[in-house]
Amino acid sequence: QSALTQPASVSGSPGQSITISCTGTSSDVGGYNHVSWYQQHPGKAPKFMIYDVSNRPSGVSNRFSGSKSGNTASLTISGLQAEDEADYYCSSYTSSITWVFGGGTKLTVL
Amino acid sequence: QVQLVQSGAEVKKPGASVKVSCKASGYTFSSNYMHWVRQAPGQGLEWMGRINPSGAGTSYAQKFQGRVTMTRDTSTSTLYMELSSLRSEDTAVYYCARDSGRWAFDIWGQGTMVTVSS
Repeated sequence: QSALTQPASVSGSPGQSITISCTGTSSDVGGYNHVSWYQQHPGKAPKFMIYDVSNRPSGVSNRFSGSKSGNTASLTISGLQAEDEADYYCSSYTSSITWVFGGGTKLTVL
Repeated sequence: QVQLVQSGAEVKKPGASVKVSCKASGYTFSSNYMHWVRQAPGQGLEWMGRINPSGAGTSYAQKFQGRVTMTRDTSTSTLYMELSSLRSEDTAVYYCARDSGRWAFDIWGQGTMVTVSS
């Protein structure tokens, strides 16, 4: 199972919006609405941010939103804040009854 | 509160095995599948497999088949992940993570650093 494809890095200024893409295949992202997103600060465990493509767990800011079109899922962060600077990973359930992660995207807040 | 507490860092020689533990608290242990995910230094997350704490059924990523064993002890609400035939490429932080019930990982352990070096 190959990793999902994410851009290595994205950047934005405070207050702006950014979008991180996550591209897979019809056997994972395209085949199921079971895409999730995680935020990871340096030296910390990942934090659960989005599940089932676009749902936010309790306590996650509504500045974070998710979507999907075909084999590509996206995470959008609006009103960028300094504390949003982190690595972001997408994950998808697959037809092999396994899970696969993206390679990760480093978000820099300028 | 719901939390997963993992065992401490390990240093192993190539060819050896390592067993990492993950103690769950704050919820009903048998009600959620549990996963193991690892992260090599400076690299991304990699799913290793999952276990059903209720029935002990397991599912492993093909890459780790034959080298990984996931078990649990319901009496202590503790999960175990044993990886054998260690090589330098297995140097990583190993995380346990709870399945949210929606094909995602909602609670993560603090991670256990495993270093494989001669």
